[in-house]
Amino acid sequence: KAGVTQTPRYLIKTRGQQVTLSCSPISGHRSVSWYQQTPGQGLQFLFEYFSETQRNKGNFPGRFSGRQFSNSRSEMNVSTLELGDSALYLCASSYLTGTNVLTFGAGSRLTVL
Amino acid sequence: DQQVKQNSPSLSVQEGRISILNCDYTNSMFDYFLWYKKYPAEGPTFLISISSIKDKNEDGRFTVFLNKSAKHLSLHIVPSQPGDSAVYFCAASAQTGANNLFFGTGTRLTVIP
Repeated sequence: KAGVTQTPRYLIKTRGQQVTLSCSPISGHRSVSWYQQTPGQGLQFLFEYFSETQRNKGNFPGRFSGRQFSNSRSEMNVSTLELGDSALYLCASSYLTGTNVLTFGAGSRLTVL
Repeated sequence: DQQVKQNSPSLSVQEGRISILNCDYTNSMFDYFLWYKKYPAEGPTFLISISSIKDKNEDGRFTVFLNKSAKHLSLHIVPSQPGDSAVYFCAASAQTGANNLFFGTGTRLTVIP
């Protein structure tokens, strides 16, 4: 079956712009989590959505937001981009929440100039 | 504040030998630990996990050891194969019912043929 699909794979933005990233989970998976990967910090948890509800949120500013649709697809948005937002954004899905065993997509690499 | 630490950014091992990847954590509330493996241009993939009620878990060539008193876990790969060359992330969870994992910064393993 198809894996976790993230679009776009690469994008370049300038400071102050906003960006929306999309994630299609594995069919049947209802939990979608987002992580930010940077060289110095590793993977950091952004938020998790389960059945269209935000289950948990990491320690990121309010510029980072997300949502989940009824078909379990998820989007995350970053407004007023800063240089430090340059990172690989990874989406992960699982059938249930609380399983910890996540299936990750290949990520969306964002570069902010 | 990095609650999960992988202090060795890289490790090189000869094919056929044992690879030992280490991970330390600071939060005593962590009760579930996982290792993920990441190849370039791919998302992390789940490798093996261990609950805090155990001190060892094996899956084929991979064994994870947990020392709760030292807040330390390690991943042993025996024998190491060139295909094991990847970045390995240690992750921990402090909460059931949610998918927020705390990741280390990763260790790049190179297995030399």
